[in-house]
Amino acid sequence: DTAVSQTPKYLVTQMGNDKSIKCEQNLGHDTMYWYKQDSKKFLKIMFSYNNKELIINETVPNRFSPKSPDKAHLNLHINSLELGDSAVYFCASSQALSGGAETQYFGPGTRLLVL
Amino acid sequence: SQQGEEDPQALSIQEGENATMNCSYKTSINNLQWYRQNSGRGLVHLILIRSNEREKHSGRLRVTLDTSKKSSSLLITASRAADTASYFCATAAVGSWGKLQFGAGTQVVVTP
Repeated sequence: DTAVSQTPKYLVTQMGNDKSIKCEQNLGHDTMYWYKQDSKKFLKIMFSYNNKELIINETVPNRFSPKSPDKAHLNLHINSLELGDSAVYFCASSQALSGGAETQYFGPGTRLLVL
Repeated sequence: SQQGEEDPQALSIQEGENATMNCSYKTSINNLQWYRQNSGRGLVHLILIRSNEREKHSGRLRVTLDTSKKSSSLLITASRAADTASYFCATAAVGSWGKLQFGAGTQVVVTP
């Protein structure tokens, strides 16, 4: 049973297209995250949601729009894709939102290549 | 800016040897976490150590935290080929509300 799943696993698309990545967790967690990992393996948080409410919104182009239909799902929609968007996108979840940060459980990643 | 920085960037050892990697950070933290990433996979949580703890163990893993030096170390004892992976430290600042700052990772290769 996959705890945090993402679809698709691979995404190859042309510049200017719009694409979505979906994430689901079956851990019963309240908080979900999107991270971007670049070619140098540097991992940076993009967004987090707690019970469908946006908590963290890092300096990310507004072409990126997260949506959380319920607390088990957090999707990422990207408009007008650019070459620099090529990266691996990871979804993660944690049990609760605390003043610090608790253990996060990561999905397998979506490898996005923009041509 | 990047919060945690790992050292060394890469480490190559033989099976049975110990592997030690270090992480330095810049601001006060609530906790520090270590994650492992196998090639082409997602990150897997290894250990969380809180700011009031100095050492933690989990199986063959030992993590230390020195808040006065703003540094942590991860020791893998009796390494195995399956330990080959990238290891990341991630810091949670006080009041970060779930925001983890990751370092660039240490690439560990364990040869049989």
